[in-house]
Amino acid sequence: DADVTQTPRNRITKTGKRIMLECSQTKGHDRMYWYRQDPGLGLRLIYYSFDVKDINKGEISDGYSVSRQAQAKFSLSLESAIPNQTALYFCATSDGAGDTNVLTFGAGSRLTVL
Amino acid sequence: QKEVEQDPGPLSVPEGAIVSLNCTYSNSAFQYFMWYRQYSRKGPELLMYTYSSGNKEDGRFTAQVDKSSKYISLFIRDSQPSDSATYLCAMMTTDSWGKLQFGAGTQVVVTP
Repeated sequence: DADVTQTPRNRITKTGKRIMLECSQTKGHDRMYWYRQDPGLGLRLIYYSFDVKDINKGEISDGYSVSRQAQAKFSLSLESAIPNQTALYFCATSDGAGDTNVLTFGAGSRLTVL
Repeated sequence: QKEVEQDPGPLSVPEGAIVSLNCTYSNSAFQYFMWYRQYSRKGPELLMYTYSSGNKEDGRFTAQVDKSSKYISLFIRDSQPSDSATYLCAMMTTDSWGKLQFGAGTQVVVTP
């Protein structure tokens, strides 16, 4: 089994629908992140959480919300999806040990908003 | 202007050639520099990590950081078709609480 599991892997939805992307990890890491990847723009941070009670906005949080249900689970929601939220979404974890903050990524969730 | 600039490619090289990738950045506070490799339909995976300036070598891979020029490089020697992937540079400051700034990624194609 993968260390970081994202569901669904692919989703097509319509404008205005509510969408939830889920992430679970078996790494035992405290830190979890949601990134968005668009061609030519690289990975951009949406939200991050350093423990269950800690949620922080990233670079592009507008239109998104998150929930940290447990140390191992971090979900991303789009309350009312719009076409420019079509992208590849990645969940990542890190243990925060030292200064390296090496990220372990999931395989990604491809979202298409029509 | 983005904090981290990276040529998106694609960069096509014959098998056995040296692949040279680079990123430039504008934030002089960046201290940690990383290269991630991303295969198609997969998440990025860490390839190389360097703190501050200097070189680091790991097998066929060499990472270089030139902080005076705000320029980092990744070299892949004796390239193989299995090296075909997108390579992303990433960097962070000491007080960024682990938040990385990524380049857009360079697609590399190694042809047999």
